[in-house]
Amino acid sequence: SQQGEEDPQALSIQEGENATMNCSYKTSINNLQWYRQNSGRGLVHLILIRSNEREKHSGRLRVTLDTSKKSSSLLITASRAADTASYFCATALLKAGGTSYGKLTFGQGTILTVHP
Amino acid sequence: DTEVTQTPKHLVMGMTNKKSLKCEQHMGHRAMYWYKQKAKKPPELMFVYSYEKLSINESVPSRFSPECPNSSLLNLHLHALQPEDSALYLCASSQVGRQILEQFFGPGTRLTVL
Repeated sequence: SQQGEEDPQALSIQEGENATMNCSYKTSINNLQWYRQNSGRGLVHLILIRSNEREKHSGRLRVTLDTSKKSSSLLITASRAADTASYFCATALLKAGGTSYGKLTFGQGTILTVHP
Repeated sequence: DTEVTQTPKHLVMGMTNKKSLKCEQHMGHRAMYWYKQKAKKPPELMFVYSYEKLSINESVPSRFSPECPNSSLLNLHLHALQPEDSALYLCASSQVGRQILEQFFGPGTRLTVL
């Protein structure tokens, strides 16, 4: 089964509104990352939050991590039409010794549409 | 230079063809990845190279053959593909460390198998 599940699957908002996307995962992680993908293009890294961090900010992005609930959220404030994209969470699973397995596992993604 | 380049952008091939996808980065990253992505789905990891050695193969069929000729280049050789292999193929690179760090993705190659 998928390590990362995201909700909602799709989100449609007006410009200026905030967008919140959620990600849940099943096993212990080393870190959790968020990526954006514009239609049919490569992914762009947005933010990385480590397992010992609870919140992180980058510009209009705010990410939270709750390891007790195995969940994370991505908040985009004051959204713009250019934020229209698919957003994926990706987890780096924890290995014994505090390292990661050499891979990321991506969630199903949230399709965000921001209307001008 | 924080760019990962992939060629070609689009590829159409028949089931009997042999073709190769190419990926290049000049960020000094020593980990490189191939992903396959179907429409409206997340990327699925295929292969990971670390220090030019194959470290992860996610049980990918042998009709996909990766190659890492040097620290900047990653190839994916394709032979006898099936129509269901049509997808966006993404290459990525990252630093190698105790943790999986951010990955830099190329724009992808859109592959159509007829």
